[in-house]
Amino acid sequence: NAGVMQNPRHLVRRRGQEARLRCSPMKGHSHVYWYRQLPEEGLKFMVYLQKENIIDESGMPKERFSAEFPKEGPSILRIQQVVRGDSAAYFCASSPPSAGGDTQYFGPGTRLTVL
Amino acid sequence: EDKVVQSPLSLVVHEGDTVTLNCSYEVTNFRSLLWYKQEKKAPTFLFMLTSSGIEKKSGRLSSILDKKELFSILNITATQTGDSAIYLCAHPGGGGATNKLIFGTGTLLAVQP
Repeated sequence: NAGVMQNPRHLVRRRGQEARLRCSPMKGHSHVYWYRQLPEEGLKFMVYLQKENIIDESGMPKERFSAEFPKEGPSILRIQQVVRGDSAAYFCASSPPSAGGDTQYFGPGTRLTVL
Repeated sequence: EDKVVQSPLSLVVHEGDTVTLNCSYEVTNFRSLLWYKQEKKAPTFLFMLTSSGIEKKSGRLSSILDKKELFSILNITATQTGDSAIYLCAHPGGGGATNKLIFGTGTLLAVQP
């Protein structure tokens, strides 16, 4: 049973470009979460999605950031017009539909570097 | 606002030592407390605690929750260099329909040979 998969693992972008980060949850998991870990800081929640629905986006910046989890395919975190402050590790986690989703399983992360 | 505080921020020990990591929390509606280990990549799930006083154990690691005093500890006995990592404590916060995890800043453990 494959774990949570994220790609790419490393992404380099220049200021002003777009970054697309992909996450495939564990098999059978329908809840996806995105977290950001800035250098020297803890993991911070960004957004929680179920298939075709955004449930909670309270941790996501209002501008330039968007997320989706379509009926088919991976969840996508999209960052438009990246700035240096967006450089961070972005982790995706998933949980099954039962058990309230408390136990979340994390992917290996995408390390975004903005030049 | 829900909060998770971990201590110490960092710790250096020698192989074979026993360590205790602390996590205190303030939450509006308690559901559970989770511990993760983060090496160079993904946080790896260790324990989920829901009931006070019941120890969860996995090999040399164990954890217990005190819901009255609002804290949890993670113990590692006979530490090995492979235990070097950041240990994260988290709880599902926010209430309502959200399952977002609120993390502490972590304890950086370095085990020297």
